[in-house]
Amino acid sequence: DVKVTQSSRYLVKRTGEKVFLECVQDMDHENMFWYRQDPGLGLRLIYFSYDVKMKEKGDIPEGYSVSREKKERFSLILESASTNQTSMYLCASSTLTVTRDSTDTQYFGPGTRLTVL
Amino acid sequence: QKEVEQNSGPLSVPEGAIASLNCTYSDRGSQSFFWYRQYSGKSPELIMFIYSNGDKEDGRFTAQLNKASQYVSLLIRDSQPSDSATYLCASYSNTGNQFYFGTGTSLTVIP
Repeated sequence: DVKVTQSSRYLVKRTGEKVFLECVQDMDHENMFWYRQDPGLGLRLIYFSYDVKMKEKGDIPEGYSVSREKKERFSLILESASTNQTSMYLCASSTLTVTRDSTDTQYFGPGTRLTVL
Repeated sequence: QKEVEQNSGPLSVPEGAIASLNCTYSDRGSQSFFWYRQYSGKSPELIMFIYSNGDKEDGRFTAQLNKASQYVSLLIRDSQPSDSATYLCASYSNTGNQFYFGTGTSLTVIP
């Protein structure tokens, strides 16, 4: 059974704090992704990684950084949290390239609802 | 222009009816298409995927793909209240190695 886990379901932080969101997958997937999801805006890609120590900016990387030191773990870092970063954060993983195999898709973690006060 | 466009709804159907959800995409290089269901406060879960033109059926769900029109749809037959959720359409292209998501269509099945 595929599994993507995230370190926290709910998190409350104060403006200016450094925030770490952790994601772990046990499927030996090459790709890992961080999205944020806001009402009316859908899923927006923050960063993704296709290999250890590799990272690519997504659509909204400003104010975020990422770290991938091990294949199974992908961390999202908010260097100095701001109220406009209050959101649902979703981690996902997938194989390197999606083929016609039914298992080749993107699997999501349960999400972290972050509130920045 | 967004890569994947969906009508945000809300869409309401009575229990037992057919719900029809639609999606268009802009990248002709997109090869794979996915439908995810997302309950309120939960993460998306895959319910259907389709690669070839035509229809693909899985239980009460049918996905339809028309590459010429760049159109993907999801039909839910015999809709149940438990089908009430937001449905996300997604595309994937090997060239970008990224998934592109629509903003989702909210479906409510009325008992």
